[in-house]
Amino acid sequence: RKEVEQDPGPFNVPEGATVAFNCTYSNSASQSFFWYRQDCRKEPKLLMSVYSSGNEDGRFTAQLNRASQYISLLIRDSKLSDSATYLCVVSNDYKLSFGAGTTVTVRA
Amino acid sequence: EAQVTQNPRYLITVTGKKLTVTCSQNMNHEYMSWYRQDPGLGLRQIYYSMNVEVTDKGDVPEGYKVSRKEKRNFPLILESPSPNQTSLYFCASSLERTLGTDTQYFGPGTRLTVL
Repeated sequence: RKEVEQDPGPFNVPEGATVAFNCTYSNSASQSFFWYRQDCRKEPKLLMSVYSSGNEDGRFTAQLNRASQYISLLIRDSKLSDSATYLCVVSNDYKLSFGAGTTVTVRA
Repeated sequence: EAQVTQNPRYLITVTGKKLTVTCSQNMNHEYMSWYRQDPGLGLRQIYYSMNVEVTDKGDVPEGYKVSRKEKRNFPLILESPSPNQTSLYFCASSLERTLGTDTQYFGPGTRLTVL
């Protein structure tokens, strides 16, 4: 079983729509959680950390459910520039585990 | 400018010909790591280093070597490349030795093809 699993999508949404997707992780001892964004096989970049209480960064909202071991990302008012692959990342001290990514395409 | 650099960015080579991919960071980061990315599998960690002269295996270390003689450099060595090492490789660094809440900064990637 993969340590981090994501729905690969693609999620194809119109501009202005809301899109949400989850990822699940298998190691209950995981300590920290992140969403990274990757454009067209370029380097991943941190989008946001995910905290137990949930957190927002502009149009992006991340939630963590430790009991069910999943993390979610919601994008409101989608922009064309949000088109990318979103990587769910889980860390344990010295090791990061990456999901394979969820592809989002925002159309005009 | 704070950055992680990798060289070469693109490389086509043949089976068995030793190669080195360099990685350098100018942010005085403690932690450095190498990943490979393959379709459908996500990024998988090859090796990581918490400090100079301290390295450890990640999830897929077979066929790779690393060294950390200086804080800023973390080269990836393929002693005898094989076609199954054809992949997109990323080097990354972060400030702290542990990854609790720290951002990983990635290099631009190296596309390696082994024929």
